[in-house]
Amino acid sequence: DSGVTQTPKHLITATGQRVTLRCSPRSGDLSVYWYQQSLDQGLQFLIQYYNGEERAKGNILERFSAQQFPDLHSELNLSSLELGDSALYFCASSVQGVGNTIYFGEGSWLTVV
Amino acid sequence: QKEVEQDPGPLSVPEGAIVSLNCTYSNSAFQYFMWYRQYSRKGPELLMYTYSSGNKEDGRFTAQVDKSSKYISLFIRDSQPSDSATYLCAMSDSTGGFKTIFGAGTRLFVKA
Repeated sequence: DSGVTQTPKHLITATGQRVTLRCSPRSGDLSVYWYQQSLDQGLQFLIQYYNGEERAKGNILERFSAQQFPDLHSELNLSSLELGDSALYFCASSVQGVGNTIYFGEGSWLTVV
Repeated sequence: QKEVEQDPGPLSVPEGAIVSLNCTYSNSAFQYFMWYRQYSRKGPELLMYTYSSGNKEDGRFTAQVDKSSKYISLFIRDSQPSDSATYLCAMSDSTGGFKTIFGAGTRLFVKA
């Protein structure tokens, strides 16, 4: 168990809908990352937050947004969903100190039908 | 050119074989090097972590970093069917952004 908690584990929704994925980082970790992994694809970095502020942005679509709250949990909002958004969405966290080791949650499996 | 290159495989070996997994990179600023193991539809799990060049050993796993060649390796000795997974290399620098770059992952199959 990495200590990173993600909910929900599985989600099925229709095209055009909006969903919210939630992440609780490891205790003490200030940085949260979101990654997307489609079937047989590598990890695609979406966005990183550090202590409530956006730190780095990757290949995140405009239909997607995220935030990190004062208690350090984070949410990834996916809207106007398309079939191609079906993927595993991972949250990860790190202390953001020297070494920058990232620990991953178990992922939220999103299926858009 | 991608910052991190990793052969996606698949790599199939018999049980007991020595497995060599590799990544090359282009950014000389990378100082922290990691290997993750990912079982199907599970979260990546940190296996090895190395700072700068050199070797690190942990049980059956050895990580090597050659910064002069921009090349990192993970060796698995006495491979087991339970080692069958996707192995991702990852690396980062410590200067601004703190962004970790992942390789595409190599899928490994260890046959009993």
